[in-house]
Amino acid sequence: DTEVTQTPKHLVMGMTNKKSLKCEQHMGHRAMYWYKQKAKKPPELMFVYSYEKLSINESVPSRFSPECPNSSLLNLHLHALQPEDSALYLCASSLGQGTYNEQFFGPGTRLTVL
Amino acid sequence: AQSVTQLDSQVPVFEEAPVELRCNYSSSVSVYLFWYVQYPNQGLQLLLKYLSGSTLVESINGFEAEFNKSQTSFHLRKPSVHISDTAEYFCAVNQGGKLIFGQGTELSVKP
Repeated sequence: DTEVTQTPKHLVMGMTNKKSLKCEQHMGHRAMYWYKQKAKKPPELMFVYSYEKLSINESVPSRFSPECPNSSLLNLHLHALQPEDSALYLCASSLGQGTYNEQFFGPGTRLTVL
Repeated sequence: AQSVTQLDSQVPVFEEAPVELRCNYSSSVSVYLFWYVQYPNQGLQLLLKYLSGSTLVESINGFEAEFNKSQTSFHLRKPSVHISDTAEYFCAVNQGGKLIFGQGTELSVKP
């Protein structure tokens, strides 16, 4: 299995809702990432987990809460989002967090906040 | 901190024509460079990478990129493009485990 899966593909939520995005990989990778991508822009790193521990938080607002329950799963919990948080949320994984490791991306979750 | 510059935001080209997508990076002691492709409504797929060794790297679908240390460039080329190559292309450098992306180049292949 050489892919990263993400669910759901699309999500529409109101500003008072609580929802979660899910990411899964079975490649034995020990580093996992969340990116946010706005239209016509490159992905922006949000969080990095290495060996199930939060390694990097790019000053992301607390309404985004990541969780790594085990080495194969990565969640992103969403609460009280703003319309400007609407974007494509991409998950990625790599063998490790080293500079030479290529990252494998999932297809993304298209989030719309009303 | 590393940075990546993609000089062209859009590149329109006719089918079967050659294409070059330009990428320059800020210099560093060691550089690990990647090209990713994003088809409409999809995630990113790794196209090719330079870690060390031969400065010319190739992908399975006919793209190639040349690492040029003196010009701090990693331009992507294909001798003959297809309609199916229409996509957004991102050049990236890995800095401490973080991918630093360029702004992207939209390649539009017309019949």
